[in-house]
Amino acid sequence: NAGVTQTPKFRVLKTGQSMTLLCAQDMNHEYMYWYRQDPGMGLRLIHYSVGEGTTAKGEVPDGYNVSRLKKQNFLLGLESAAPSQTSVYFCASSYQGQSYEQYFGPGTRLTVT
Amino acid sequence: AQSVAQPEDQVNVAEGNPLTVKCTYSVSGNPYLFWYVQYPNRGLQFLLKYITGDNLVKGSYGFEAEFNKSQTSFHLKKPSALVSDSALYFCAVRDMTPGSSGSARQLTFGSGTQLTVLP
Repeated sequence: NAGVTQTPKFRVLKTGQSMTLLCAQDMNHEYMYWYRQDPGMGLRLIHYSVGEGTTAKGEVPDGYNVSRLKKQNFLLGLESAAPSQTSVYFCASSYQGQSYEQYFGPGTRLTVT
Repeated sequence: AQSVAQPEDQVNVAEGNPLTVKCTYSVSGNPYLFWYVQYPNRGLQFLLKYITGDNLVKGSYGFEAEFNKSQTSFHLKKPSALVSDSALYFCAVRDMTPGSSGSARQLTFGSGTQLTVLP
């Protein structure tokens, strides 16, 4: 099993450009999450999904959109990138149920100039 | 609102010595508590969790954590540190108060503690 994979690993964008980050998991997990990690701030939840076709806002959703058209995939979109979105983005997944741990992907390092 | 604090940004310990990484939390009801570790340029890996039951939880790589309800703490410990334990450690909490929903069910992470084990 590959676990949780993320594409791409690195990306540099100019302000105003758009892009989509792809997350895929092969563990048949119901829940999927997108986080951003910034120095000294831990991980902050952007959006999450509790099942195929459903999405919900997390702590810092502004400037991002998500889609979960297939159970195994969770896409994070930036429609008009801003320098404040420079960060490392992590995708995670978990079994249904709040007591289960999350499995993380390797991350995408995004720089917006 | 739920929150978690890791009061130390950096912890240094000599190899072979015991280590402690501190975590305190705040929830309105019962907490689910987790520890994750992050090695350089990698995603987070699950170490251990407290859901209910015994206050001393054992996890991966010889780590353990003690849940203390009166002090609202969940400190991570290891009896004998290894150089390979050097990494960034995150504590996380989820409020499991009956009836809580939405953001209250999300996992809140601390800011992380960089552990350096010196040879």
